[in-house]
Order: sequence, then C-alpha cells, then structure tokens
Amino acid sequence: DGGITQSPKYLFRKEGQNVTLSCEQNLNHDAMYWYRQDPGQGLRLIYYSQIVNDFQKGDIAEGYSVSREKKESFPLTVTSAQKNPTAFYLCASSHGTNTGELFFGEGSRLTVL
Amino acid sequence: GQSLEQPSEVTAVEGAIVQINCTYQTSGFYGLSWYQQHDGGAPTFLSYNGLDGLEETGRFSSFLSRSDSYGYLLLQELQMKDSASYFCAGDNYGQNFVFGPGTRLSVLP
Repeated sequence: DGGITQSPKYLFRKEGQNVTLSCEQNLNHDAMYWYRQDPGQGLRLIYYSQIVNDFQKGDIAEGYSVSREKKESFPLTVTSAQKNPTAFYLCASSHGTNTGELFFGEGSRLTVL
Repeated sequence: GQSLEQPSEVTAVEGAIVQINCTYQTSGFYGLSWYQQHDGGAPTFLSYNGLDGLEETGRFSSFLSRSDSYGYLLLQELQMKDSASYFCAGDNYGQNFVFGPGTRLSVLP
C-alpha cells in the first residue's frame, strides 16, 4: 500500500541534543512538507520541498534543518537551537497543490526532557 | 503573512447540520482545502475548492467565495464519529498550504 511513514512515533530528547525525524513516501509525490502542531493549535509550516535537492523555509524554520537527497525521503533535524521543540511533527506529501490534497504521515511526538 | 480564521469551537447534536466558517486575509490563495483530525491522529483530507462555488462529497460539502475571502465546510446528518477538529488550509500561490487554527466540533447525542 502507498503511503507516508514517519519514525519514530514517540521520541524523548534531552536539552541540547539534536534529533532527526524520518519521513519516507512511496506515493511518487514531488512535493513534501514538514508541519509542527502544538496542543490545541493549527499546523505551522517548517520546511517544504517541491523537487529533489531543493527546499524552502516555511514560517517557523529557525532551529530546524532538512535535506531532500531522494524523492522518497525528507528527514527533519530538530537542532539544539530550537528553543521549544516539544511538539507533534507531521510530514506530508502531494503531487503539487492543484488537487488541494496533502497526504499525512502518522506523526512524530517529540518531548524534550 | 497569510492567515486564516475559524471559530474555535462548535457544538451540535447527532443528526443535525453544522457549518464551519473560514475567512482569510490574503488574495494569494489559489484554493481552500478542509481537513479532519481526531485527537492524537493525523489530519485527513476532506475537500478542496479550486474554484468558487460548492463541492459536495457525501455528507460533507464545502464552499468558496474568493471575492469575499470566505469559505465554509458543511456537515450533514452529524454522527458521533464526526467529533473532531476541522482545519481549513489555503493553497499558498501553489507553493504550499497555510492552515487555519482549527475548529473543534463536539457532537452530542
């Protein structure tokens, strides 16, 4: 079955540590996105990529980094520079935006201790 | 930057009809999408309006008026399982999607 796989589902990290969240899709989608969601809030865009080897900052990119070396993969690194990293992280993909549809992974819940 | 506004909460009874509004303050949205999210889960796509007017998908309908910077999601024949958060999302110049703050729908028996 086609879909998006995020791992790990739950992650605990100590302050000052970097952590990388994995996102893999087998939908053959060109565009991939990372969103952050805080409790009771909407989704905020961290980074997005419309094509391999290219990505753009979203509204809250500070303290995060990404890479897009393969079409299927778009990992997100939460660095120690991110001041409040505890959140629910959602990866999504789409063919583009003309269908209006994002396909989401199940999310990764990061807690900083 | 672009922003969207939604009511924070809506309550309705089983079998009723509810409308969730979404307004935005930009001319850059090519279209408007709607997503459902149950607690602890990921958002799932419901509907997309790339043109002005009404789109119907089963019990759900969505409407867009770009001249009014306004859209809504209409849920008919409400069921308990419809209790969830609903998000509108603007297609941002064909580059990405900007989400609204979400509306929490509670369906009462």
